[in-house]
Order: sequence, then C-alpha cells, then structure tokens
Amino acid sequence: DAGVTQSPTHLIKTRGQQVTLRCSPKSGHDTVSWYQQALGQGPQFIFQYYEEEERQRGNFPDRFSGHQFPNYSSELNVNALLLGDSALYLCASSVTYNEQFFGPGTRLTVL
Amino acid sequence: AQTVTQSQPEMSVQEAETVTLSCTYDTSESNYYLFWYKQPPSRQMILVIRQEAYKQQNATENRFSVNFQKAAKSFSLKISDSQLGDTAMYFCAFTSGGGADGLTFGKGTHLIIQP
Repeated sequence: DAGVTQSPTHLIKTRGQQVTLRCSPKSGHDTVSWYQQALGQGPQFIFQYYEEEERQRGNFPDRFSGHQFPNYSSELNVNALLLGDSALYLCASSVTYNEQFFGPGTRLTVL
Repeated sequence: AQTVTQSQPEMSVQEAETVTLSCTYDTSESNYYLFWYKQPPSRQMILVIRQEAYKQQNATENRFSVNFQKAAKSFSLKISDSQLGDTAMYFCAFTSGGGADGLTFGKGTHLIIQP
C-alpha cells in the first residue's frame, strides 16, 4: 500500500513566478492537509481539503490556494512567489477524525 | 489561538539511556488531541504517539511513553532504551478538532543519540 506521495521532490523558482505542488493521499484517505515548514521551524498549517472543498485555513495569504480532485488528490498553488516562500511543503492525508500521515515533502527554493 | 512550546532546541544522550522531551501548550478548548512526531534527516514526518485529552491514562507505544498533565498543559515524551535510529527532530503537535484538523506544531527538539 503506497503511502502519501508528493511531486516534485525539489523545485527552484524565481520571485514573482507561480508554482503548483501535487499530493496523492494514502489509499482510503479522503482528507488532505498542507503545511509549510521553513528551515529550522515546525510545520505551519496552510489549509485542509475535504470533499473537494477547503474546510479549514491557517494564517496564510490568498496567494496560497488549493484544489482537491474527485480521487482525493490535491494541489497547492502559490502565486507571486516571494523569497520567504522558500520552504519544505508537506502534505498529510487522513480519514476524517483520525491521525494524519505525512508525505516526504517538496523542497521549494525561490531565488 | 493555540500555541505549542518546546523549550529544548537540542538534546544529546548516550545510546540505551532514557531521555525526556518537554512540551507545553496553551488552549481554551476542552476536547483536543496531542501528538509527538519524529522527523529524521529524510524529512518524512512519522507519528510516534498520540494522546486524547479526555483520556486520563498516559499513552504508551513500545519504548515511547508520554506524561500528560492536563491541568498544567504539559505533554512530555519519554524515550526508553534510546537507539541510534532515534536521532531526529521531534515535534509536539496539537489539534482541537476530531484529530484530523489542522495541526499546530512546536519548533521542535533535535535529539541526538550518541554511540
């Protein structure tokens, strides 16, 4: 059984560009959450998707948006990239009211 | 807003020793969940142990156990018989939802197990 997968593994962008990160949840999971982990910090919650709707959102600007597809996979989009957006982006999946399983993350570098 | 505080940026112990990592949190919620996650250099976040706030009994998973003090809002992790593979960042996390809501993480403790 494959766990949570994320693509790409690494990504380099320049300021002002847009980026899309992808996540496939663990089999049987219907909820996907996204987190941003800056270097040396704990992850920060961006938002959560359930039934193709954004169910919860953390303290992130509207430049961060997402989508969930009917097969429960999800995308995280970031527009107008800033240097401060450089981080490890983690996706986690869960079955509602159960623990979250994390993917290996996507390392985004903004130059 | 909930906050999670880990006051030990780094700890180092010898293999086979017992080590305790500290975590305190702040919330006005009565129903919540607490977690310890391990993040090795591979970056994969792995759940170590979870505790439901309504349960008085402390959670235990093999060599890992917690000391949950609800009144003091304290949630420490004890690792017994530490092994080299326990070397990693350890994050304490909190959620006030059903356990699958957004997690609030502490800044982490870097645990080093020395041979």
